[in-house]
Amino acid sequence: GDSVTQMEGPVTLSEEAFLTINCTYTATGYPSLFWYVQYPGEGLQLLLKATKADDKGSNKGFEATYRKETTSFHLEKGSVQVSDSAVYFCALGNQGGKLIFGQGTELSVKP
Amino acid sequence: EAGVVQSPRYKIIEKKQPVAFWCNPISGHNTLYWYLQNLGQGPELLIRYENEEAVDDSQLPKDRFSAERLKGVDSTLKIQPAELGDSAVYLCASSASGDGTGELFFGEGSRLTVL
Repeated sequence: GDSVTQMEGPVTLSEEAFLTINCTYTATGYPSLFWYVQYPGEGLQLLLKATKADDKGSNKGFEATYRKETTSFHLEKGSVQVSDSAVYFCALGNQGGKLIFGQGTELSVKP
Repeated sequence: EAGVVQSPRYKIIEKKQPVAFWCNPISGHNTLYWYLQNLGQGPELLIRYENEEAVDDSQLPKDRFSAERLKGVDSTLKIQPAELGDSAVYLCASSASGDGTGELFFGEGSRLTVL
């Protein structure tokens, strides 16, 4: 069945460091891909999405490119801030309407 | 605009007791989801509704879990009887479209502790 695999955390970075969180997926058909973020004490919220191959989603300095050839959707940010500390979830939306999440990657940014 | 509202935020019960969670989705959202999130894991779908119809309940443990969405708006998720392994966060989400391409809006979750 469809699935999502993320790099394990926690990831600890210093402020202004470059961030990459790897995400790969397995799916039949052509899924949509998402990154959701969960800040401490808050609910999950959409960070960015891409609905077809080669699309780039971007928001708040984060970006991810839908790579069909490598079945990947890695999250990147050029310069992280303390306020980016959160848990990040990669997810796919399949053609049956189901949203499937990865296990989450906790990011901690130190000043 | 009000977001997805869930209650209660926290619930502590003894095993074998019943428990119910309530969700009020964003107005106009036809698709409603209940997810289970264990500590350190990603959310796992329990059930998805399109209006009042459950279109995907394949992951719902039907021996003890039940859900309803009367009138296609609010929804209730019930566990009876609860087991120790049911301790988790129960998330409700809604979306305008259930086709897998749209954004899901999540509530803050209901954290269940079973003693």
